[in-house]
Amino acid sequence: AQSVTQLGSHVSVSEGALVLLRCNYSSSVPPYLFWYVQYPNQGLQLLLKYTSAATLVKGINGFEAEFKKSETSFHLTKPSAHMSDAAEYFCAVSDLGTDKLIFGTGTRLQVFP
Amino acid sequence: DTAVSQTPKYLVTQMGNDKSIKCEQNLGHDTMYWYKQDSKKFLKIMFSYNNKELIINETVPNRFSPKSPDKAHLNLHINSLELGDSAVYFCASSQTGVRTEAFFGQGTRLTVV
Repeated sequence: AQSVTQLGSHVSVSEGALVLLRCNYSSSVPPYLFWYVQYPNQGLQLLLKYTSAATLVKGINGFEAEFKKSETSFHLTKPSAHMSDAAEYFCAVSDLGTDKLIFGTGTRLQVFP
Repeated sequence: DTAVSQTPKYLVTQMGNDKSIKCEQNLGHDTMYWYKQDSKKFLKIMFSYNNKELIINETVPNRFSPKSPDKAHLNLHINSLELGDSAVYFCASSQTGVRTEAFFGQGTRLTVV
């Protein structure tokens, strides 16, 4: 069965610092991976997705993620954090049998001035 | 022009009551989902429908009954509400296919007292 693991339930950075949110996947076949962001009291919004076209994926709001098969990772990065990036971030994998999204446990990003 | 809309946004009700949450999408997608997000932000799929047909039922108590009158609508009816049903319920939709992302509604925060 496919799954994703997000390391670190909370990450705190200073404004302007690098953001790194970790996601590792478990899949016997090439996975389709997604990063979503959830702002307080809102639904989930897609940041970016990996569907095997390119290993470095650029998303919205300056975020990007790199698919590394050797490390079974799909970490999310942003060079310079902004206060408005404070939110909950979810990594997800698409289940090949049912197309459903299987989510990680989420990482809360806090940004300090 | 909300893509996936849910009503109501907040729902407070007493134990034992029956309630419904409505969802509509105007994206022309053929697959719709209900996800439950618990107090620890963990997201889990409950149901998915494809063209009005139930595809996934993830061992949800049969007090929960989804209904899809057409492919743009997926409602969730909950009988005999329990305290443990308190959560945020998200509706989502997508095109069929493992590479496609899901679009989420704003969520319905259900509180059972």
